[in-house]
Amino acid sequence: GEDVEQSLFLSVREGDSSVINCTYTDSSSTYLYWYKQEPGAGLQLLTYIFSNMDMKQDQRLTVLLNKKDKHLSLRIADTQTGDSAIYFCAPKGGSYIPTFGRGTSLIVHP
Amino acid sequence: ETGVTQTPRHLVMGMTNKKSLKCEQHLGHNAMYWYKQSAKKPLELMFVYNFKEQTENNSVPSRFSPECPNSSHLFLHLHTLQPEDSALYLCASSPGRAESYEQYFGPGTRLTVT
Repeated sequence: GEDVEQSLFLSVREGDSSVINCTYTDSSSTYLYWYKQEPGAGLQLLTYIFSNMDMKQDQRLTVLLNKKDKHLSLRIADTQTGDSAIYFCAPKGGSYIPTFGRGTSLIVHP
Repeated sequence: ETGVTQTPRHLVMGMTNKKSLKCEQHLGHNAMYWYKQSAKKPLELMFVYNFKEQTENNSVPSRFSPECPNSSHLFLHLHTLQPEDSALYLCASSPGRAESYEQYFGPGTRLTVT
């Protein structure tokens, strides 16, 4: 099955850019999602990228996909304290069910 | 607000109790999911229902018993749980089982087994 790896923690200063990285193993992944989980809440879909794209930009969010290296990243520009949350990378590899990693806890310092 | 609600939000139960978790979606979706989220572990898929029929059971112990009476409601019946079952239980729904459909999650039920 698919394996998804993410760093557990990322700490940034408010106003800086955050880059959350993810590696996955299934090269047949066609939809690659990013979810955000705020404290005490469920997962909220942030954005996704289709496998025939290299980059997708959505306001402060930029998703980069390197299919050759099976590497996905989420860049948050001008990071705010409200961006503090856990971010999950979730690729779908030929299935309707995504595979979730352990998530990256983003901590934003004032 | 994702259109998926879960009750109760918090539950404390003893190992000999029987309780149920409820999930309801107001999105007109046909597929519903139960996940278990434990600290520092990947999200674990437990069960999947599609048009009220169970399509996935991810080797879940029988002390967890799902029920899906219709496409809008999903229950997880709990009995004789163990302390290691303490976790956040998340419900999700999607329009169907196509690869292009994303999942919508509820806020979860925080379960503590004493």
